[in-house]
Amino acid sequence: GAVVSQHPSRVICKSGTSVKIECRSLDFQATTMFWYRQFPKQSLMLMATSNEGSKATYEQGVEKDKFLINHASLTLSTLTVTSAHPEDSSFYICSANGVSGGSYNEQFFGPGTRLTVL
Amino acid sequence: AQTVTQSQPEMSVQEAETVTLSCTYDTSESDYYLFWYKQPPSRQMILVIRQEAYKQQNATENRFSVNFQKAAKSFSLKISDSQLGDAAMYFCAYRKVDDKIIFGKGTRLHILP
Repeated sequence: GAVVSQHPSRVICKSGTSVKIECRSLDFQATTMFWYRQFPKQSLMLMATSNEGSKATYEQGVEKDKFLINHASLTLSTLTVTSAHPEDSSFYICSANGVSGGSYNEQFFGPGTRLTVL
Repeated sequence: AQTVTQSQPEMSVQEAETVTLSCTYDTSESDYYLFWYKQPPSRQMILVIRQEAYKQQNATENRFSVNFQKAAKSFSLKISDSQLGDAAMYFCAYRKVDDKIIFGKGTRLHILP
């Protein structure tokens, strides 16, 4: 149980286009999902916290108009990179809060999406 | 603000030997969680071990154990009987209750056959 999927696993797009990445909790409901960005050989950087039915909370320095997050249901959050540029090329990872072994609220991670902007 | 520091960018260990990865953190909270995550070449984040700050007993998961020193704000990971499959990036992480996870910069672990 507690599986999080991401789609697509990798995407290549032209500069100026928009790309949507989906994050789904397959066997549990997630009121909160998180979006991370990871550059090569670096750690995960939190971009935003997504709560079902409300606006996402963005971390300092993350452009909310560029990285649009929608959490329309308890099992789906989407990240749209608008007007993508080569510097947006990165590995994007989502995670979802779910209950694990009692009352602990654990984060389950998706497999990530590699975005390449040409 | 909470911070997590991993001072070892890379470590190597001989297969079947024991290795310890270091981590320190800074927080003013008394109740929180600490984690070690493994990220293999597939880049899937895998939870290795979790420690609740209110528990004095060190967490253990098979070959993986931690040395949690709350007063010193230290949280090291010991891997016993290292195996080739243990080669990965290891991230130490902190989480305040019901809040976001803060990751350290990671330690790349190499296993020498």
